Amino acid sequence: DAKTTQPPSMDCAEGRAANLPCNHSTISGNEYVYWYRQIHSQGPQYIIHGLKNNETNEMASLIITEDRKSSTLILPHATLRDTAVYYCIVRVTGTGGFKTIFGAGTRLFVKA
Amino acid sequence: NAGVTQTPKFQVLKTGQSMTLQCAQDMNHEYMSWYRQDPGMGLRLIHYSVGAGITDQGEVPNGYNVSRSTTEDFPLRLLSAAPSQTSVYFCASSPIPGTSYHEQYFGPGTRLTVT
Repeated sequence: DAKTTQPPSMDCAEGRAANLPCNHSTISGNEYVYWYRQIHSQGPQYIIHGLKNNETNEMASLIITEDRKSSTLILPHATLRDTAVYYCIVRVTGTGGFKTIFGAGTRLFVKA
Repeated sequence: NAGVTQTPKFQVLKTGQSMTLQCAQDMNHEYMSWYRQDPGMGLRLIHYSVGAGITDQGEVPNGYNVSRSTTEDFPLRLLSAAPSQTSVYFCASSPIPGTSYHEQYFGPGTRLTVT
């Protein structure tokens, strides 16, 4: 699986959009981009995933650049409860993707 | 659905002791995995299983054994605990990744201290 690079930490004001970047310059054509988050010391929680097109769900939006070498997770109206560590992961589908690797992630602080 | 459950929540072991961390899921997921998370670090894959009777090694398998006799259960055994195994252990499950990835569901974790 391709490696990802994320900033170690970011701040965001409550109510504003939080934009979390991820670099995956070595991504292959069959690798998806996934985002998870971990609040306090709980188990990680799935947020969203995508391949080429931008994706949106009730939690967030995922913007993937045309060359797929980077992506941005957008939390449109961050709340204090969004303070967490956010992990960007790329992985293949099928048997090659069984060994999903989590990096260190970005620690997002949402401030009142 | 209870989702993914792990027991115990906390455990303290002495060096050299053995123990089994339990993981169970009630979603009929084929894929289950164990991760460890050291302070300030991301998750590292220990072992995984794609179905009953099938297991394989992840990133950091040394010192751990697994077995998968049923779809629901995936216990992790520490053979001879060492202080380096002090960590938080997470179990996760999902359907088998096919044409698209399925989200993994994580348990609440087991916090293990080895003295």
